Amino acid sequence: DTAVSQTPKYLVTQMGNDKSIKCEQNLGHDTMYWYKQDSKKFLKIMFSYNNKELIINETVPNRFSPKSPDKAHLNLHINSLELGDSAVYFCASSQSGQKGEKLFFGSGTQLSVL
Amino acid sequence: GNSVTQMEGPVTLSEEAFLTINCTYTATGYPSLFWYVQYPGEGLQLLLKATKADDKGSNKGFEATYRKETTSFHLEKGSVQVSDSAVYFCALTTGGATNKLIFGTGTLLAVQP
Repeated sequence: DTAVSQTPKYLVTQMGNDKSIKCEQNLGHDTMYWYKQDSKKFLKIMFSYNNKELIINETVPNRFSPKSPDKAHLNLHINSLELGDSAVYFCASSQSGQKGEKLFFGSGTQLSVL
Repeated sequence: GNSVTQMEGPVTLSEEAFLTINCTYTATGYPSLFWYVQYPGEGLQLLLKATKADDKGSNKGFEATYRKETTSFHLEKGSVQVSDSAVYFCALTTGGATNKLIFGTGTLLAVQP
């Protein structure tokens, strides 16, 4: 069974559309994250949730809205998509978000905005 | 602020060559240090970690030592294989209420047979 699964794997859409990416983890972890990887492979955290509570919001435009219906799920909704949103988005989870803990990553969602 | 600097790639090596990928960090407090690896088309996975000074992390023939005096965590492997071709990320966490994993820019390693 996949530990952290995200869907869809590929997402191609037009500018101005609204889209969602879903993430689920079956590891029993308390903390989940969204990371954005740009075309140069640079990874930057966007959000983290602990027990459904928002912990980190890294100055991401408010067109991006994460939602955590329960500890095992963290979805990412993006409104009014822009060309610059094209990237690979990775979901991740960890046991409790503590220093020294390993993160488990999903396989990524490649978003292409045309 | 907290940051990670790692050598730019790509690094191209022949099979069985020795690998070093340099990583240095800037952090307040006492960070934990990590190397993650990303194989083509996949998500990241932890390669090794060290949580305090002088600790050595090791896995799959790779190793890295937490050097507080030089604020470094260089990745080494004595003999690389074609299957080691991937992007390698150095990263740190500092703990606290808003603990997060901060990555370096990644180094692409290409191993040729």
